[in-house]
Amino acid sequence: GNSVTQMEGPVTLSEEAFLTINCTYTATGYPSLFWYVQYPGEGLQLLLKATKADDKGSNKGFEATYRKETTSFHLEKGSVQVSDSAVYFCALSPNNSGGSNYKLTFGKGTLLTVNP
Amino acid sequence: DARVTQTPRHKVTEMGQEVTMRCQPILGHNTVFWYRQTMMQGLELLAYFRNRAPLDDSGMPKDRFSAEMPDATLATLKIQPSEPRDSAVYFCASGLGGPNYGYTFGSGTRLTVV
Repeated sequence: GNSVTQMEGPVTLSEEAFLTINCTYTATGYPSLFWYVQYPGEGLQLLLKATKADDKGSNKGFEATYRKETTSFHLEKGSVQVSDSAVYFCALSPNNSGGSNYKLTFGKGTLLTVNP
Repeated sequence: DARVTQTPRHKVTEMGQEVTMRCQPILGHNTVFWYRQTMMQGLELLAYFRNRAPLDDSGMPKDRFSAEMPDATLATLKIQPSEPRDSAVYFCASGLGGPNYGYTFGSGTRLTVV
């Protein structure tokens, strides 16, 4: 079955530091890949996505590149801010054309804390 | 911005009581998910509807949980009878389905069973 593995947290950084959160996946075919962010007390918000190999998703200074050869979708940001403190989830959705099963499979989440 | 609305936001109930959680998907979205989030298990998929039909509820304990979509504007998740191990945050998410779309999550219902 499909699965997503994220680096375990927590990750603690100082403001303006470089961020990488690793994500690898196991799936049949070529899934779509997502990063979601969850701020305290809130639901998950879609941060960025990539739907095919070599695509780069980006949003709010965050980036992730779909690497088919390494089955990875690592999240990066060049300079984190205190407001980026949240839990980050990597997820995949099957990409089987003609099918109807597009449910999201999530990793366990990585807690990021950014200190001033 | 369009949003997924979940009610109630918080629920405290006694063991053995029935609990009903409601979700109003974004208008026009044809796909609805229910997820449960706990510290130990992370995000678990409970149920998945497309065009109001259940596609996958394999993650849901069938003896006490039930999920329905009586119409396109309402999804419900019921627990009867509730148990302390059901304490968690329950999220509803809606979307257009398909591989190219993300999904919009509600703010969740925090359930505590005492």
